[in-house]
Amino acid sequence: GDSVTQMEGPVTLSEEAFLTINCTYTATGYPSLFWYVQYPGEGLQLLLKATKADDKGSNKGFEATYRKETTSFHLEKGSVQVSDSAVYFCALSEGGQGGKLIFGQGTELSVKP
Amino acid sequence: DTAVSQTPKYLVTQMGNDKSIKCEQNLGHDTMYWYKQDSKKFLKIMFSYNNKELIINETVPNRFSPKSPDKAHLNLHINSLELGDSAVYFCASSHQETQYFGPGTRLLVL
Repeated sequence: GDSVTQMEGPVTLSEEAFLTINCTYTATGYPSLFWYVQYPGEGLQLLLKATKADDKGSNKGFEATYRKETTSFHLEKGSVQVSDSAVYFCALSEGGQGGKLIFGQGTELSVKP
Repeated sequence: DTAVSQTPKYLVTQMGNDKSIKCEQNLGHDTMYWYKQDSKKFLKIMFSYNNKELIINETVPNRFSPKSPDKAHLNLHINSLELGDSAVYFCASSHQETQYFGPGTRLLVL
């Protein structure tokens, strides 16, 4: 079945460092891809999404490009802040009525001042 | 003006008890979901409802029974709670493929 694999965490960076969190997927069709963020003690918030190959999703300085040839959707940010400390989840949607999200295992990011 | 809300936020109970978690969305979405997040933060779909009809039941034990009285509500009832049910349960609703999550219910079974 469809699956999502993310890089292992935790990832620890200094403020203003460059961030990359790798995400690759396996899917039989053409899924939509998402990044969600979970701040400590909170629910998941949609960070960005892309619905077809070569689309770039972006929000709050984060970007990810849907790469069909490498089945990847890596998350990047040029300069992280302490407030970006959270768990980041890559996910794909199988689409269709009531289509479920399939999540990667999550990557914890800790940004130090 | 909370979009997806859940009650209670925390639930501590004894093994063998029966408990319910409620979810409401005011986004006008037709589809709602329950996900379970385990202690390692892994998230897995449990159920999906579309316009009050069950669409997905992801091999969840029969002790878990979702109920959707109308398309804005999806409640989760759990019978005979077990230690392994301890987790965070998230409700979500969706517009097309984008899902919006509630704040979660942290269930601890003692």
